[in-house]
Amino acid sequence: QVQLQQWGEGLLKPSETLSLTCAVYGGSFRSYYWSWIRQPPGKGLEWIGEINYSGSTDYNSALKSRVTISVDTSKNQVFLRLNSVTAADTAVYYCARFLTMVRGVDPYFDSWGQGTLVTVSS
Amino acid sequence: QSVLTQPPSVSGAPGQRVTISCAGSSSNFASGYDVHWYQQLPGTAPKLLIFGNTNRPSGVPDRFSGSRSGTSASLAITGLRTEDEADYYCQSYDSSLSDYVFGTGTKVTVL
Repeated sequence: QVQLQQWGEGLLKPSETLSLTCAVYGGSFRSYYWSWIRQPPGKGLEWIGEINYSGSTDYNSALKSRVTISVDTSKNQVFLRLNSVTAADTAVYYCARFLTMVRGVDPYFDSWGQGTLVTVSS
Repeated sequence: QSVLTQPPSVSGAPGQRVTISCAGSSSNFASGYDVHWYQQLPGTAPKLLIFGNTNRPSGVPDRFSGSRSGTSASLAITGLRTEDEADYYCQSYDSSLSDYVFGTGTKVTVL
């Protein structure tokens, strides 16, 4: 049973860089893709991007210029960096396992971290 | 603004059947991309409910069922229970955006 535990700075000022870590426990880290998803307070979900164990990434087109997702396979950890944050980046950020190799089925998120609230305020 | 549109809310009495629609377009469902559904209980992370249009992960009751046809998809909940009060989101891939996308979300209320 995979477990995802995440942490990071919860309060940022405008223009600072958001940094979050997601640690994966159980299961095979190298067999899956890993994603970040965010949810502004009271609003819906937004996919941020994904990465696999070799560092191959794909990002949301609207966030691509500011986002970097990376991995440390020695620690089974996934990282999110979002540059030049504004109040619009205030959200709960989730890491999730992204299943991409289920026969005949398009990718989906099957396990989620607990979420980390990041607030951007001056 | 999401490319997948859901009704903001649906409600029903205990034991009733409710359905949640997810309206897409030619660049997602009509292109053959699958729909997946997630349940988000208050204050918690989303949980996978349906994958690949109709499939339930282990542990999800068969009261939940999904379908997809043309440019839309739907989630049905039969035998509605108080513990089904939650927000529900559809999710797919959109080829015009080249992004994975979520629906706008629907709040289910048990009367």
